[in-house]
This record gives sequence, C-alpha cells and structure tokens, in this order.
Amino acid sequence: DAKTTQPPSMDCAEGRAANLPCNHSTISGNEYVYWYRQIHSQGPQYIIHGLKNNETNEMASLIITEDRKSSTLILPHATLRDTAVYYCISPMDSSYKLIFGSGTRLLVRP
Amino acid sequence: DVKVTQSSRYLVKRTGEKVFLECVQDMDHENMFWYRQDPGLGLRLIYFSYDVKMKEKGDIPEGYSVSREKKERFSLILESASTNQTSMYLCASRGAWGNTIYFGEGSWLTVV
Repeated sequence: DAKTTQPPSMDCAEGRAANLPCNHSTISGNEYVYWYRQIHSQGPQYIIHGLKNNETNEMASLIITEDRKSSTLILPHATLRDTAVYYCISPMDSSYKLIFGSGTRLLVRP
Repeated sequence: DVKVTQSSRYLVKRTGEKVFLECVQDMDHENMFWYRQDPGLGLRLIYFSYDVKMKEKGDIPEGYSVSREKKERFSLILESASTNQTSMYLCASRGAWGNTIYFGEGSWLTVV
C-alpha cells in the first residue's frame, strides 16, 4: 500500500498561505492522492484530490511532484476556520482500502 | 447534495449489549467503509465493503461484524459491547476508482 507520511503539526498566520507537505514514496501509477481535513468532533471533509497533474478548486491547490513521491496542499489565504487536522491519503491499488495516517494538525494564528 | 447519513450521533450502551450502527449513502456508491477514531491514534479501518454482501476486514476487525444487504446501507455490529469500544465511529462511501470519498458526521459511542 501507499503509506503516507506527514509532519505532526504546523502553524501559520491568518491571511498567509499554508503549505502542508505529504510524502507517499510507495505510491503506484494509478493511485490518487486525496486530502481531507477534520475539525474536532466532525467527520472528515473532502478538500481535493489528484493523480499526477496539479489541481485547484475553491478551497485549495494540490501540487504533486513529477515523480509522484510527494505532494503539497496549499491553502492560499488561511483563516482561523482552517485550523484542523489535515490528512493526506492514498488508496491501495487492489482492494480499495483507504488508510489514514495521523495527519498534520494545522493551527492558524490570528 | 451528496450525503452519508449515520443513524445515531450519540449513543450510550451497557457492556455486553449488542449495538448496531447504521449508515446510508444516497450516491449509489459501490464502496463503503467503517472507521473508528480515538485520540492520538487517527482513523483506523474496521471493515469495508466493495459490493452488496461483500466485505473485507480492515486493520482492527476484532469484536466487530458488518452487514451489507443493500447497496446504500452498511451496518456495523458490536456483538457484545465492551468499554474499549468507546470511540467515535465514522462511515464513508466512494464510487468508482478515483472518485471522492464522502464521510458521515460520526457516531459517538460510549460503553459503560
């Protein structure tokens, strides 16, 4: 399976960009990378996903390296409501199993 | 609007009781999942199902079973609840490969 590795915590100032890294060095060619976030006591919220090209939506941008061994989630203008735990995940290619790591706890400071 | 609905948000059960956690999705998704989440341990996969009546064990299946009789419904069963099963339980679903995974709001189970 494609194991992901993320830093346990990060912080950034409100209004600045938050760049959250993820390593997925064992990812295979047809495995997507997904990003989710979870605010306390709620279910994870989908943010963005991608395969090999960079992606952008109304919430964030996803930059995937050319070798696909790592990616970065970018929140372009972080707000206090972006304080959450962010998960980078990549499904197994054969059995559709999703594996979540411990995620990155992002603290946005006023 | 897409939705994964978990039947109960908060439950309190006694040790030894049989507990049913129900999950329904309205997106015609093939894949459904049950996770539990505990402080400091992240999300851990209990069971998943890739089709009606099909199921596979996740990382921590002991003490749990599941049922998927209809495509839209995936039930988690605690045959004999124990205090170490006190946790938040999350249901999720996903369609064909590469599609977005959707989570329910979670069910907080306390076993006393």
